[in-house]
Amino acid sequence: DTAVSQTPKYLVTQMGNDKSIKCEQNLGHDTMYWYKQDSKKFLKIMFSYNNKELIINETVPNRFSPKSPDKAHLNLHINSLELGDSAVYFCASSPFGGYYEQYFGPGTRLTVT
Amino acid sequence: ILNVEQSPQSLHVQEGDSTNFTCSFPSSNFYALHWYRWETAKSPEALFVMTLNGDEKKKGRISATLNTKEGYSYLYIKGSQPEDSATYLCAFANSGGYQKVTFGIGTKLQVIP
Repeated sequence: DTAVSQTPKYLVTQMGNDKSIKCEQNLGHDTMYWYKQDSKKFLKIMFSYNNKELIINETVPNRFSPKSPDKAHLNLHINSLELGDSAVYFCASSPFGGYYEQYFGPGTRLTVT
Repeated sequence: ILNVEQSPQSLHVQEGDSTNFTCSFPSSNFYALHWYRWETAKSPEALFVMTLNGDEKKKGRISATLNTKEGYSYLYIKGSQPEDSATYLCAFANSGGYQKVTFGIGTKLQVIP
């Protein structure tokens, strides 16, 4: 069974569209994260939720809106997609707290044309 | 902004050589330091977590040390093998608030057979 899953794995869309990426974890973790891997391969935190509550919200355009319907799911919705949004987006989960390792999903490669 | 720096950014070693690389992080508000291994086309996977100054961890041919007073950690690989080729990420967790984890940009290791 996949511990942290993301759908879709690949997403190609045009500028101006709205799209969502879904993430689910079956590890029973309290905390979930969204990361963006930029063009320099740097893994940058975007959001973190703990028990459905937003706890980390980095400087991310408000076109990006996370939603956590329950603690096993953290979805990422992106409005009015721009070329610069093209990247690989990783979801991760962990127990709450900086001591615990994070388990990453396989990533979603978003290409905006 | 927390600066987590890794050096070198990339290196090539011959099979059988031993190698090491560095992670530098803020020495104040330290909570934990993680090392992850990230193979191409896969997701990051945790190697070690260290919390105490002087901590040393070992997994097979890979080991890590921690100096929280001066803010650095070393990762060592003994007798590098081609399957060690990957990007090695360190991640710093601070002690405040939600113990946010900040990733470095990684050291990309290529082991040449």
